[in-house]
Parts: sequence; C-alpha cells; structure tokens
Amino acid sequence: KAGVTQTPRYLIKTRGQQVTLSCSPISGHRSVSWYQQTPGQGLQFLFEYFSETQRNKGNFPGRFSGRQFSNSRSEMNVSTLELGDSALYLCASSLTRLGEQYFGPGTRLTVT
Amino acid sequence: DAKTTQPTSMDCAEGRAANLPCNHSTISGNEYVYWYRQIHSQGPQYIIHGLKNNETNEMASLIITEDRKSSTLILPHATLRDTAVYYCIVRVDSGGSNYKLTFGKGTLLTVNP
Repeated sequence: KAGVTQTPRYLIKTRGQQVTLSCSPISGHRSVSWYQQTPGQGLQFLFEYFSETQRNKGNFPGRFSGRQFSNSRSEMNVSTLELGDSALYLCASSLTRLGEQYFGPGTRLTVT
Repeated sequence: DAKTTQPTSMDCAEGRAANLPCNHSTISGNEYVYWYRQIHSQGPQYIIHGLKNNETNEMASLIITEDRKSSTLILPHATLRDTAVYYCIVRVDSGGSNYKLTFGKGTLLTVNP
C-alpha cells in the first residue's frame, strides 16, 4: 500500500507570496492532519480534516488554511508568506480520527 | 493532553536493547501513550501505542507501569538505523476535540557501532 505522499518536496518562495501544498493520504484513510516543524518550535499541530471538514485547529494565524476533498486528498495554503514560515510541513493520515497517524516525507518550504 | 518528560539524549550499543523512558505523571484515564520516531529529515514514524497493558509489535515493546505514570519503549536489538529522535506522546482516546498529537522535544537515541 502506498504511503502518504506530499508535493512538492521542496519549495522556495518570496516574502508576501502565497503557497499551496498538497497531501495524498494512504488509500482508505479519511483523516488528514497537518504539522509544521521548525528547529525552534519543534513539531506543531496546524489542523485536522475529516470528511472534508476541519475538525481541529492549532494556534496559527488565519494566513494558514486548508481544505480536504471528497477523495480525502488535502491541501494547505499559506498566504502573505513571512520569513518565519520557513519550515518542514508534514501531513499525516489515519484511518479514523483516533487512529495512529502515518506521516508523509514533508514539504520543505523556504521563504526568502 | 497530559505532558510528557523524556531525557534529551541517550546512547546505545548496536545489538543491545535500547530502553527509552517517558514520564507522564499527569496522564488521565482516557489517554493512550503513543511512541513515534523521526529519523533526520524524514516524517515521524509510528512505532506503538498502549493504554495500560504492555504491548509488543514487530518494531518494539511498550511497558506501561501499573499506575500509568511512566512507560518505557524497548527496541530489543538496536541497529544503526534506529538512530533517531523518539517522541512519547499521550493522547485522548475519545470525546472532546483534541485528536491532535502534541510532540515534545523527544529523546535523541544514538546507536553506536
């Protein structure tokens, strides 16, 4: 069974731009969560989607948003990028909301 | 979610058992203990989880004390590829809106040849 895939793997953007990251969960998994990882803050929860609805949100500004499609694929969007948004963005999927989460390889975003 | 305390780093000789401790003294009755690990620059990898009974799978064993205030992850025969940051996480098993994983700083396990 294929794992969680994330595209693109690497991305370089300029301050003020916006970016969209994509996540394809493991087949059959309906819950998708997003995390941000930085050296200073570690792994932090962004939001969780289940059945196309955002069910849970972390403590991030409104510039961070996401959505989930009917096939469970998910995208997250960051608008008006700041230097501090440079991070590894990780997507995780699980069969149910409380199931073990399986992570993708992440998207490394660099904001210059 | 209850907070966890883990040593910052540990060393282990290749082929020996690695025992990683975790303190979760404020765990509540409906919280599971999860273990993940993250090898450098990769996404975290699920290892094992449990509620109160000891658990074993092909990767590791999880020993939870009877009072549930601490647990130990055991890698029975550590290899160089087990070098990673290991995260101990407690997580609610039902109800509420807190289905997220809250990662601490974890333990950097270095397996030495």
